[in-house]
Amino acid sequence: GDSVTQTEGQVTVSESKSLIINCTYSATSIGYPNLFWYVRYPGEGLQLLLKVITAGQKGSSRGFEATYNKEATSFHLQKASVQESDSAVYYCALSPSNYNVLYFGSGTKLTVEP
Amino acid sequence: EAAVTQSPRNKVAVTGGKVTLSCNQTNNHNNMYWYRQDTGHGLRLIHYSYGAGSTEKGDIPDGYKASRPSQENFSLILELATPSQTSVYFCASGDGGARAETLYFGSGTRLTVL
Repeated sequence: GDSVTQTEGQVTVSESKSLIINCTYSATSIGYPNLFWYVRYPGEGLQLLLKVITAGQKGSSRGFEATYNKEATSFHLQKASVQESDSAVYYCALSPSNYNVLYFGSGTKLTVEP
Repeated sequence: EAAVTQSPRNKVAVTGGKVTLSCNQTNNHNNMYWYRQDTGHGLRLIHYSYGAGSTEKGDIPDGYKASRPSQENFSLILELATPSQTSVYFCASGDGGARAETLYFGSGTRLTVL
């Protein structure tokens, strides 16, 4: 079946440093899956950060970027300079190309230190 | 402001008891979803619905029933609660985008089954 893997459960980064959160996926359904990053800020509900539905394309939001790499089956989340306000839990997710159901990774808790 | 509201926020139940988790959305979305999240795991899909009167099984439906009496309301029912159902439950509505719909999540219900 379809699945998403996030290898880091927790990441700690100093403010203004760069960030990468790894995400790889496995998709067995027909066609290329749609890929997402969702985020849960402290005290808030889970919300969409960005999505990319075309292989090879890049999505961006709030200074974060992720590129859909179909060769590597990856969708890593990157930011050049993090802020304390970026501290949150980030979830990578996919939906099959023809089916509106999301499969989530286990999440990565980002802590940005001042 | 459009929102997804879950009730109760916290629930303690006894083994063998009946538990009903409620979800209300004001987004006017056709699609609604119930997920559970356990420590170290991503969100896993229990049941979903494409509109009033419809319910579909997700990846882990055993021990759960769902009810969608109206566009706005979607309930998750545990007829005979067990300790293994102790978890955090999230409801979401989906905007049904032609490709890659966005989900809007509630704040979650923390259920403890003793």
